[in-house]
This record gives sequence, structure tokens and C-alpha cells, in this order.
Amino acid sequence: SQQGEEDPQALSIQEGENATMNCSYKTSINNLQWYRQNSGRGLVHLILIRSNEREKHSGRLRVTLDTSKKSSSLLITASRAADTASYFCATDRGSQGNLIFGKGTKLSVKP
Amino acid sequence: DGGITQSPKYLFRKEGQNVTLSCEQNLNHDAMYWYRQDPGQGLRLIYYSQIVNDFQKGDIAEGYSVSREKKESFPLTVTSAQKNPTAFYLCASTGNPYNEQFFGPGTRLTVL
Repeated sequence: SQQGEEDPQALSIQEGENATMNCSYKTSINNLQWYRQNSGRGLVHLILIRSNEREKHSGRLRVTLDTSKKSSSLLITASRAADTASYFCATDRGSQGNLIFGKGTKLSVKP
Repeated sequence: DGGITQSPKYLFRKEGQNVTLSCEQNLNHDAMYWYRQDPGQGLRLIYYSQIVNDFQKGDIAEGYSVSREKKESFPLTVTSAQKNPTAFYLCASTGNPYNEQFFGPGTRLTVL
């Protein structure tokens, strides 16, 4: 079952621009996580935001969480060609903490 | 150098064969996971183990089997009962199921 759904499915921007990706989910969560995947590689954890937090920053990343709308956004500021990757949101399932991943947003940053 | 490793990176299987994918971690994590990823899709949970000698089915366990005899190791067997096994397989581990997961580099399995 799919919990998180990212939007848009694909995003193409120029280097230096900001990239915003959105994630919607269906049921109550303890936390929401964002991961990055370069083509053909494993996932790398970017940031975790807990259900009682509204905003979190890490370097050029800014994540917001709106539990009333069951949605989150990931903002990458001043993007670089090296940010080209797929980005996934993941929500926990509740009692056991297992993650449910969305289908991802494929970001392409052109130099 | 702590981390999680998977082998082999590429694996080719003939129809009707069982194959085993390796996953090893030296992060001292209790919980380990196997995911399947199809092109353009997210990850789907196959099996998970929260402690040695115990494991549970995920969302798509049919045609797969696992074992967890050691804390560091969580091998996945893709059996001949799995009708469409060609996919990218990812292993992950965590010290706390409510925190981040650490992923291996993946194994790409192709059925010939």
C-alpha cells in the first residue's frame, strides 16, 4: 500500500534555482523522512521531521510538515547539478515504525 | 569503516532457479529490511527483522524467503515461485525503527 505520494513526478530546473517537492500521505504518522537516490544506487537519508515539528533545516534543505493537511514539502535552495537524483518521502506505519515510501520525484538540475 | 554492504551488484538468474542475495552490516543495528524497487517506482517492503532469529513478512513476501541467524546478516532468497523477480533489491538497517534507515548499494537481479 502506498502512503506517501510525491508531486511532481519529475522536475527540471537550472542550476541556482530552488526546487520544491511535495509529499502527501493518508494516515497519522510519528515522523516523515526524505531520502535521496542517485541513479542505480542505494538511498541516502536527508532529513527526518517528527509529527510535532512544523519546519526543519539542514544546510540547503528545508522541510515543512503540515499534519492537518497530511502533507510535507522539501525545498532545495540554490540547486546544483550534483543535486540531480530522485527524492522520496517515507512515512512510518505506526506501532512497528516500518517505512512506506512514495514513488519519488525525479529532479534534474541543468548546469 | 561502518556500513551496510550487498553482494553481488548484478545477478542473473535462469527461470526456475533460486538465488540468494547477501546483506551484511557492521553498524550493530538490530533491525534490517529488504525492499524491492521497480523502474520509476518507490520501494516496497519484502521482509523485515527487528531482532536476531525473528523476521516478519512485508507487503510483497510471496516468492521470497529470509533468515536472520546473525545480527550482522540478513540474506534474501528469491525462489522460483516469484513470478516476476527482475528488479533492484535494496537492503537497509536501523538502530531504531522510528529513526533513519541506512541503505546498501543494491543488487540488480535479472531473470534470463
